Amino acid sequence: GAGVSQSPSNKVTEKGKDVELRCDPISGHTALYWYRQSLGQGLEFLIYFQGNSAPDKSGLPSDRFSAERTGGSVSTLTIQRTQQEDSAVYLCASSPDRGGNEQFFGPGTRLTVL
Amino acid sequence: SQQGEEDPQALSIQEGENATMNCSYKTSINNLQWYRQNSGRGLVHLILIRSNEREKHSGRLRVTLDTSKKSSSLLITASRAADTASYFCATDGPLDMRFGAGTRLTVKP
Repeated sequence: GAGVSQSPSNKVTEKGKDVELRCDPISGHTALYWYRQSLGQGLEFLIYFQGNSAPDKSGLPSDRFSAERTGGSVSTLTIQRTQQEDSAVYLCASSPDRGGNEQFFGPGTRLTVL
Repeated sequence: SQQGEEDPQALSIQEGENATMNCSYKTSINNLQWYRQNSGRGLVHLILIRSNEREKHSGRLRVTLDTSKKSSSLLITASRAADTASYFCATDGPLDMRFGAGTRLTVKP
């Protein structure tokens, strides 16, 4: 079956512009995670959605970052007024539920802010 | 913030040797997972060990968990060049899933 997909795979933008990154989780997965990974670094948790519950936004680095998950499926991560330090790979993962199950990762979006 | 911390940060071995990576964490957990990442893109789940388990095997992988020391180890036996990747531990606890910075494993042919 289809895995987690993300689009675009690469995004180059100018400093100050807004960007939207999309994640299509595996159908039926109620949990969805966004992570950020800078070059050669570990994963930085950004935000977590579980069903219809309020999302855990504790990892968002600033108010320029926001995310939505419509209809419990597709999620969009928005970065406003991008800065060069936002350059990273943004990874999305989904999981059948919250219970610490395996996370299935998408291929990521590589964001470059010039 | 990160929960798990892998050790060492980088490891280089010859094909056929065993590779051991360690993970330490801070808070109580429900389970601990190990993931592998190739080429800086998506991660692939390797193995999950629950807090009431001490050891688990999957093929050439052996994972141990010591909750009293808040640590886990991943052993890859008879390594292959294709095992070259970054390996991350992730803990599921009060902070939900948190990943460490990873161990970069290089297996030389």
